[in-house]
Amino acid sequence: NAGVTQTPKFRILKIGQSMTLQCTQDMNHNYMYWYRQDPGMGLKLIYYSVGAGITDKGEVPNGYNVSRSTTEDFPLRLELAAPSQTSVYFCASSTLAGVFYEQYFGPGTRLTVT
Amino acid sequence: GEDVEQSLFLSVREGDSSVINCTYTDSSSTYLYWYKQEPGAGLQLLTYIFSNMDMKQDQRLTVLLNKKDKHLSLRIADTQTGDSAIYFCAEMDSSYKLIFGSGTRLLVRP
Repeated sequence: NAGVTQTPKFRILKIGQSMTLQCTQDMNHNYMYWYRQDPGMGLKLIYYSVGAGITDKGEVPNGYNVSRSTTEDFPLRLELAAPSQTSVYFCASSTLAGVFYEQYFGPGTRLTVT
Repeated sequence: GEDVEQSLFLSVREGDSSVINCTYTDSSSTYLYWYKQEPGAGLQLLTYIFSNMDMKQDQRLTVLLNKKDKHLSLRIADTQTGDSAIYFCAEMDSSYKLIFGSGTRLLVRP
């Protein structure tokens, strides 16, 4: 299993440009998440999904959109990039194994908006 | 709302024990987690503890949970240079979302 994969690894955007961060998991997990990590900070939840066709806002959703058309894929869309969106973005997935719950993380996408 | 707090930095000598502390606010958290992040990488689950436990040991790692004080700690015995990383404490809220602390950077000096 590849686990959680993210593309691209790095990206530089100009202010006002748009892009989609891709996330795919091959573990058949129902739950998927997008986080952002600003320098020296913990992870903040942007959006999450509990299954195909179901998404919900996290703590910091403004400026982002998501969709979940399949179990495997959970892309994150930035429509009008702003410098405040410069961050490292992590995708994660999880399932409830019995009563235990573990999130598996992708390697991250480092985004710079200038 | 829920909040998880950690000290920002810890420096220890190789071979010593490291203790990383965390406080959380949600008394209904079922699980509490420790994640490790190495430079340029994603987060990796190190260990976890169920809320009805006081202690969990896993090789060099010992997790202590004080539910009354909402305090969680991670002890790493015989700390090695490869343990240098950022360690995140996290609690699971009632809707299965993780609330992360801001991370403790552990530096292991030779």
